[in-house]
Order: sequence, then structure tokens, then C-alpha cells
Amino acid sequence: GQQVMQIPQYQHVQEGEDFTTYCNSSTTLSNIQWYKQRPGGHPVFLIQLVKSGEVKKQKRLTFQFGEAKKNSSLHITATQTTDVGTYFCAARTGPGAGGTSYGKLTFGQGTILTVHP
Amino acid sequence: GAVVSQHPSRVICKSGTSVKIECRSLDFQATTMFWYRQFPKQSLMLMATSNEGSKATYEQGVEKDKFLINHASLTLSTLTVTSAHPEDSSFYICSARTTTGVIGNQPQHFGDGTRLSIL
Repeated sequence: GQQVMQIPQYQHVQEGEDFTTYCNSSTTLSNIQWYKQRPGGHPVFLIQLVKSGEVKKQKRLTFQFGEAKKNSSLHITATQTTDVGTYFCAARTGPGAGGTSYGKLTFGQGTILTVHP
Repeated sequence: GAVVSQHPSRVICKSGTSVKIECRSLDFQATTMFWYRQFPKQSLMLMATSNEGSKATYEQGVEKDKFLINHASLTLSTLTVTSAHPEDSSFYICSARTTTGVIGNQPQHFGDGTRLSIL
């Protein structure tokens, strides 16, 4: 089935440093979504990328979707302690897969970010 | 924004008890809801897809008789963990997808999760 590999598993940074997490798939993705889960909380939707080569920004967060639509990244500039949590990418299979697999969201393993003040 | 309410947030009960978890979409209709299980510091594992008015679709390795899912309305899905045992202890999260927008591109909105502890 669809697999999304996410690295790194853990990232420890000093406040003010940048942070990047990467997602890769062996198959072409129709879109990719990013979620953030705070410790003890539930995943919160951040953004969705659909187009090849798409770049979207949310304040200090920059999201990219690869030209081949097989990889994506989330970059945080100048991390703050409020950025701590686990960041997940999640992908759906493309059209034509049929059945419920078209509607399933497969999550990457997540990157746990800790920020030291 | 879309809100998904999940109840209860925490359950502690004895082995052999059946536990029902409710997932409600508060301000939108959800023809499809998803149930996930998450172990500490691990990713979300999809257990089943719940479709309103029809049987749920379970992922490989998930016992349908153990995890009963009912999606009786467009705003409510329930997961019942039957005869729960300590190995069923986990964080269970539901999510719902809106019916508007391009199919396949709708974001999923998650409930707060239910932390289940079986003694």
C-alpha cells in the first residue's frame, strides 16, 4: 500500500535555529497535507499542497511540494518554543485507485521537534 | 472552522469491559469518518473508515468484531472496543472529512482523542 517516509524522526534545536522535516513517497501523490500534534494533543491541519512544485508560506513555516509530486518538506525559520510538537505529513493515493483507498490518508512517521530556550 | 468532538477524553476501566467512544462533527456533515490508533511517540495508524449508512471498512489486521464501528448519521460515528484488554490500551483518535470541495483534497479534522487505559 501507499507508504510515506518521513525524516528525521527526532530533531532537537536551540530556539532561533531553523528546522526542516522531509517526506518522500515512491509513488506520485495527488496531494500532501501537513499536520502538527502538540504533546498530549490531537493532530491539527496546517496546510495542503496540490500542485507540482508548489510552495506555500504561513508566517515562519514554508511548505514545498516536489516537482515530481513525490516529496515534500516543511521548513520552520527561527524556531520558537511554541513550535514544539510532532509534525506529520500525510498523503492520499491519486485518482483511479478506487474504493476506500482513494479516501485514505496515510501518515508519515512524524518528526518530533523539541526546542531548547 | 470545522470542529470534531470526541468523547470521552479519557477512560480507565477493568479488563473485559466494553468501551464506547463517540465522534461528532459539530458544524459540518461528514459522510466519512476515520478511526486511528496512536501509540506513544508513534504515528497514527488507521484502523477503519466509517461511512454513513454502510459498513465500515477495516484495515488489514484490525479485528472488526473487536472494534465495532457504527456511523448512523452524518454527524456521528462510534467506536466500541469490546471486551477490552490491557493490550487495547492506547490513544484513539477520530477524524472527519468535509463533503465540500474537491474529492480527495479535503483536509481531515481530528477530535481531541480518547486515552484508553485497561487495567
